[in-house]
Amino acid sequence: KAGVTQTPRYLIKTRGQQVTLSCSPISGHRSVSWYQQTPGQGLQFLFEYFSETQRNKGNFPGRFSGRQFSNSRSEMNVSTLELGDSALYLCASSPRGGRLETQYFGPGTRLLVL
Amino acid sequence: GNSVTQMEGPVTLSEEAFLTINCTYTATGYPSLFWYVQYPGEGLQLLLKATKADDKGSNKGFEATYRKETTSFHLEKGSVQVSDSAVYFCALTQSSRGGSQGNLIFGKGTKLSVKP
Repeated sequence: KAGVTQTPRYLIKTRGQQVTLSCSPISGHRSVSWYQQTPGQGLQFLFEYFSETQRNKGNFPGRFSGRQFSNSRSEMNVSTLELGDSALYLCASSPRGGRLETQYFGPGTRLLVL
Repeated sequence: GNSVTQMEGPVTLSEEAFLTINCTYTATGYPSLFWYVQYPGEGLQLLLKATKADDKGSNKGFEATYRKETTSFHLEKGSVQVSDSAVYFCALTQSSRGGSQGNLIFGKGTKLSVKP
């Protein structure tokens, strides 16, 4: 099976712009989660989607949003970018998102905000 | 709230040395515990996991045992190789009375460097 894919791999944006990142889960996986990784805060959970519905959300401002399509592909959007949004954004998929399941991660999208 | 604490790095070892990376957790309910590894420029890969007390996860010579009495999940390997150089993350998934929550809570990560 193909792994989790994320596009683009690298992005450079300026403050105030918005950005959309894409994630394609492993075939058959219906749960997609997003994480932000920064040197200062480490890995933090953004949100989880299952069957096109946001099921769980971390502690991030409303500028961070996402959605999931009927084929389980997911996008996340960050509006009004700030310098502090520079990070590696990781997407992970699992069959149903339960606590016993393994989450499989993509290679990430590295976002640099100037 | 739920949290994971792991030993600060970096850890530098010689090839064939014994590795221990300590991990302790705070959680309500019955979390599952994971070790993930991140190689430079890559995403996270699952190294091993344990889903209930006294379970031992193992993979590629690495082992960790879910100890509920000490709320720990320490990672060990008997003989490290240069190729083991990476950042290691301990993590847990929560459970709640209303149902499963699969989001991962991570420790800060421990960078391991193995010298030939």
